[in-house]
Amino acid sequence: DSGVTQTPKHLITATGQRVTLRCSPRSGDLSVYWYQQSLDQGLQFLIQYYNGEERAKGNILERFSAQQFPDLHSELNLSSLELGDSALYFCASSVVSRGAGELFFGEGSRLTVL
Amino acid sequence: AQSVTQLDSQVPVFEEAPVELRCNYSSSVSVYLFWYVQYPNQGLQLLLKYLSGSTLVKGINGFEAEFNKSQTSFHLRKPSVHISDTAEYFCAVSGTTSGTYKYIFGTGTRLKVLA
Repeated sequence: DSGVTQTPKHLITATGQRVTLRCSPRSGDLSVYWYQQSLDQGLQFLIQYYNGEERAKGNILERFSAQQFPDLHSELNLSSLELGDSALYFCASSVVSRGAGELFFGEGSRLTVL
Repeated sequence: AQSVTQLDSQVPVFEEAPVELRCNYSSSVSVYLFWYVQYPNQGLQLLLKYLSGSTLVKGINGFEAEFNKSQTSFHLRKPSVHISDTAEYFCAVSGTTSGTYKYIFGTGTRLKVLA
């Protein structure tokens, strides 16, 4: 058990809909990272937050947004969903912000868009 | 911008044989390097990391990796694999451009250990 909790574990929805994925980091970790894992593109970095502030941005679509709340949990919002958004979305947390630390991963949220 | 290339998408190997999983990275500045393992239906977990110092890094489960700056490589090795090592392995690099660190993963190498 990594200590990172992601909900929901599975989600099935239709094209055009909006979903929210939630992540609770390990106790004490201030950094939260979001990744998208798909068969054809591997593990793609989406975005990182540190103590409530956006710290780095990757290949995140404009239809996607994220935030980190004062209690340090984070949410990833996916809107106007397309079939290609079907993937496993991972959240990871780290105690440091500047990339030298280990990332602790949740078990992922599997999104299926029909 | 930094990037990571894992040259082999799949590596089949017989039990008790040695294995090497290859990783090359590109970055214009100092980097930190990592190997993670993902077992089926699980998140990733850290095998080992290189931050600085000795270029040979030892990790969990008998794995080790060598940082080679001139070849920009960080290959993962194990002298004798077990069936339980069957999993997907990801190389990752963390480095900064313009003061922003990004933690980038390769596309993964699926290790299949055969009996």
